This record gives sequence, C-alpha cells and structure tokens, in this order.
Amino acid sequence: EPEVTQTPSHQVTQMGQEVILRCVPISNHLYFYWYRQILGQKVEFLVSFYNNEISEKSEIFDDQFSVERPDGSNFTLKIRSTKLEDSAMYFCASRKGQGIYNEQFFGPGTRLTVL
Amino acid sequence: AQSVTQLGSHVSVSEGALVLLRCNYSSSVPPYLFWYVQYPNQGLQLLLKYTSAATLVKGINGFEAEFKKSETSFHLTKPSAHMSDAAEYFCAVSDPGSSASKIIFGSGTRLSIRP
Repeated sequence: EPEVTQTPSHQVTQMGQEVILRCVPISNHLYFYWYRQILGQKVEFLVSFYNNEISEKSEIFDDQFSVERPDGSNFTLKIRSTKLEDSAMYFCASRKGQGIYNEQFFGPGTRLTVL
Repeated sequence: AQSVTQLGSHVSVSEGALVLLRCNYSSSVPPYLFWYVQYPNQGLQLLLKYTSAATLVKGINGFEAEFKKSETSFHLTKPSAHMSDAAEYFCAVSDPGSSASKIIFGSGTRLSIRP
C-alpha cells in the first residue's frame, strides 16, 4: 500500500543551523502539507503546497521556513536558522485531489531536536 | 475559527470494556470532523470522518463516532477494547474556509488498555 515516507526519523542540530526535512508523498497526490507537534502540545498546521506554490500557511510559518518540491517525488521543509522552540515532531501529509473525500495521508514524522 | 476540544488527556479501560473518547467542536459553519490514531513511532492514521452525510460514522478497527449538532460533539466509541487499541487518538476538524483543506487537531487522548 502506498505511504508517505519521511527522512530522517530523528534530526539533532545546533541552534542557528539550517535543517532540511524530507518527505516523499504518495506518487499520484497533488496536495502536500507540513504539520508539527511540539512535545505535549497539539498537532499544528504549518503550510500547504499545490501546483508548485504555497496555497496556505499559518502564522508559525515565518521567513525562517520554506518549502520546496525540487523534483517529482520529494517535498522538503527547510528551517534556515533553527531556534530552540523549533524542537518538535514534523509531519508531512499528502492528498490526492480536491474535496473532503480525499483524505490526507500522514508520514511517520521527523523528530527535530535543537540544542 | 474552528477548534476541537478533547476531554481527558489520558483514558484507561480494561480489555473488553467500552471505549469512549470525548471530543467537542467549535464551528460557525457545518464542519467536517475526523478521528485520527497514532500508534507508537508511527504516523497519523485516519480512523473515520464525518462529512455531513450520516451522523453515525463507522470507521476502521470497530470504532464509530456520532455527530451531535445539538451538543457540538463527536465522541469516539468502541464497544469492546482490545490491547491493540492502545494509542494516541486525535479529534480534528477541517476548516471549510481553508482553500487547502488544512486540518485542525485537538490535543489528543492517550488510550491505555488494562489486561
């Protein structure tokens, strides 16, 4: 069964460093998302991406964040200069098409630890 | 703005007992509602969804949820708990005003099953 994959499963970085989190969405999906979950808190929407551009972003998704679909398979989230408060589990999700009947499929997450 | 509130961060039941996980939503328009499950070290898996069709929604693994507009609730139930049901459960709502159909999650309820 097709699934969303994410790498790495765990990333440790120093404050101020750049990190890139990678996701491979399901191959025939068109809508892509990043969510994050700070330990002990809710899963929060970060950004959605469609047709090679951001379709919606949250207040969390500031200039330090960027997303890219560099080729036909990967979908990346880059944090330019990590802060301690960026430590969280980051989930990628993808959806086949429009309409609520197309559910979002989530990856297993990348745990980011900023020291 | 859309939101969901999950009552009880941790619920413990005996194997074979009824499972009841509570969720209340806040919405100014008819919402789309979901329950997701997260098993340890895995991604978020959709259990079931309400999209304004039948108010009683059946999902995977024997779970079901009932949409009650008068109570603004969408509680998750299962008649008989199994050890394999131990996981984190998230109630979520889709924002109809979101062009990207972003999902807004509750804070989660951890379900433990006693032998």
